Amino acid sequence: GNSVTQMEGPVTLSEEAFLTINCTYTATGYPSLFWYVQYPGEGLQLLLKATKADDKGSNKGFEATYRKETTSFHLEKGSVQVSDSAVYFCALSDRVDYKLSFGAGTTVTVRA
Amino acid sequence: KAGVTQTPRYLIKTRGQQVTLSCSPISGHRSVSWYQQTPGQGLQFLFEYFSETQRNKGNFPGRFSGRQFSNSRSEMNVSTLELGDSALYLCASSPDSLLEAFFGQGTRLTVV
Repeated sequence: GNSVTQMEGPVTLSEEAFLTINCTYTATGYPSLFWYVQYPGEGLQLLLKATKADDKGSNKGFEATYRKETTSFHLEKGSVQVSDSAVYFCALSDRVDYKLSFGAGTTVTVRA
Repeated sequence: KAGVTQTPRYLIKTRGQQVTLSCSPISGHRSVSWYQQTPGQGLQFLFEYFSETQRNKGNFPGRFSGRQFSNSRSEMNVSTLELGDSALYLCASSPDSLLEAFFGQGTRLTVV
């Protein structure tokens, strides 16, 4: 079946530091890949997505590249802000079983 | 465009009772899926509906059920509540193929 393995947290950074969250996946088909973010007390917000190999998703300074050869979709941001403090989830959908498979989530705290 | 609306936001129930949660998807979206989020198990898929048909169901006991109406609104029901059913229940809507799923803020269910 499909599965997503995400770098374990929590991750604590200083403002303006570089952020990387590793994500690797296992899928039977050719999945679409996503990063979602969850702020305290909120639901999930789609941060970025990629639907085919070598696609780069980007939004709000965050980027992730779909790497089929390494089955990875690592999230990066060059300069984090306090407002980036949240839980980040990597997810995939193979468009066959009509569901998202999520990683365990990585809690990121950015200190001023 | 209004987002995904889940009601109620918070719910406290007693063991053995039943509960119904509601989800109104984004206008025009025909797919609605449900997820359970707990600290121990993370995000787990419950079921997905499209045009009133359940297309997939997660590995949950039969006490968990759902349905979708002709206007795409969806409800999920949990009967004979157990303490372990305490969780954040998230609803997501998408146009069809899960290329982009939009989540509501969730219903926080506490079973006492």
